Amino acid sequence: ETGVTQTPRHLVMGMTNKKSLKCEQHLGHNAMYWYKQSAKKPLELMFVYNFKEQTENNSVPSRFSPECPNSSHLFLHLHTLQPEDSALYLCASSPPGQGSEKLFFGSGTQLSVL
Amino acid sequence: GQNIDQPTEMTATEGAIVQINCTYQTSGFNGLFWYQQHAGEAPTFLSYNVLDGLEEKGRFSSFLSRSKGYSYLLLKELQMKDSASYLCAVRDSNYQLIWGAGTKLIIKP
Repeated sequence: ETGVTQTPRHLVMGMTNKKSLKCEQHLGHNAMYWYKQSAKKPLELMFVYNFKEQTENNSVPSRFSPECPNSSHLFLHLHTLQPEDSALYLCASSPPGQGSEKLFFGSGTQLSVL
Repeated sequence: GQNIDQPTEMTATEGAIVQINCTYQTSGFNGLFWYQQHAGEAPTFLSYNVLDGLEEKGRFSSFLSRSKGYSYLLLKELQMKDSASYLCAVRDSNYQLIWGAGTKLIIKP
């Protein structure tokens, strides 16, 4: 148990659907992240929020839309996805610091786009 | 470009020792992390190295050589529960984390 909870654990959606992924942490961390994990590929950073403000958007297609209503919750809204978007989506959080801070990951949402 | 290389898969025997290597080419260096990820679970932090040398933590040790752009994770007295993927990540000069693709470790009885 890492203290970061993601729901749902599994999601199957069609290309025309709209769905949302949820992430929650009560560790008192100020930074939250969305990562995409595809088989045999490095983790891809998608979005970063610091104190509810988005500080990074790594050229992610607009069909992915993040939302961070407060420091404990993070959402990823999905619409008109493509089959190549099928992957494990991981949420993580970290405390403030100077670079040695570790990330606390959720167990992820395994997304399949049909 | 920035790159982290680690073997895709390794196999070892229960009770033995295994070394998982990680080489990196990054724009600057501000620390190297190892994470463990069991199938279907969250990656969890194992170790952090920022200075050269060996950091030991129980059965697991992590080594860093900044001049060689090289690290390894050493697992001793292997147990079946050590079967997992091991992720190497480097923080670059902009404090961005650059990730390797992970090494899947299979432990056989």
